[in-house]
Amino acid sequence: DAGVTQSPTHLIKTRGQQVTLRCSPKSGHDTVSWYQQALGQGPQFIFQYYEEEERQRGNFPDRFSGHQFPNYSSELNVNALLLGDSALYLCASSTSPSGRGPHTDTQYFGPGTRLTVL
Amino acid sequence: AQSVSQHNHHVILSEAASLELGCNYSYGGTVNLFWYVQYPGQHLQLLLKYFSGDPLVKGIKGFEAEFIKSKFSFNLRKPSVQWSDTAEYFCAVNVRTDSWGKLQFGAGTQVVVTP
Repeated sequence: DAGVTQSPTHLIKTRGQQVTLRCSPKSGHDTVSWYQQALGQGPQFIFQYYEEEERQRGNFPDRFSGHQFPNYSSELNVNALLLGDSALYLCASSTSPSGRGPHTDTQYFGPGTRLTVL
Repeated sequence: AQSVSQHNHHVILSEAASLELGCNYSYGGTVNLFWYVQYPGQHLQLLLKYFSGDPLVKGIKGFEAEFIKSKFSFNLRKPSVQWSDTAEYFCAVNVRTDSWGKLQFGAGTQVVVTP
C-alpha cells in the first residue's frame, strides 16, 4: 500500500522564481492538505483540496496556490519566491471530509520537499 | 484563534528513563488531539490520537497520552525510553466543528536519548 509521495525531494531556487511541488495521496485517500515547516518550527497549514477545489486556507499570501487533479494528486505553486519561503513543504492526505458534521479523520504525511531559496 | 503550546523545546535523557512531554491548547470547543513523531531523516508519523471516549490513549511503540479537558492538556508519556526514541515530537489539534480538519501544530520538542 503506497503511502503519501512527494516530489522532488530537494529543490534550490533563487528569489523571484516560481516553484511547483507535487504530491500523490495515500491509496484510498481523496483529500490533500499542504503544510509549511520552517526550521525549528511545527508545520503551518497552507491549504486543503478536496474534489479539485480549495476548501480551506491558512494565513498564506496569494503567491501560494494549488491544484488538485481528478486522480486526487495535488500541486503546490509558489510565485515570486522570497528567502523566507525556504522550508520543508509537507503534503498530507486523508479521506473525504464531508464539509458537514465533525471531522474525525487522520492525516498521513509524506516525506516532504525541502525548498531552499537563495 | 486556537494555539498549541509545547513546554519543552529540547529534552535530553538516558535510556530507561521516563519521558513526559507537555502539550496545552487554547480553544474552548471540542477538539481532536494528536501526537506525531519525526525520526531523523523520516517523515511525520502518527503516534496516537484522541477523538473521544477514554481520555487515556495508547499509541505505538509504548507511548500513551492523557487528555485532561479541565487543563486543556494532552501530555505524552513513555515509562522507559530507548535510544531509538530520539526524534522530534509534535502535538497537534483540530477543531471538531471544523469539518475540513485543519491541523494546528505546536513548535515541537526535540528529544535526545543517550545510551
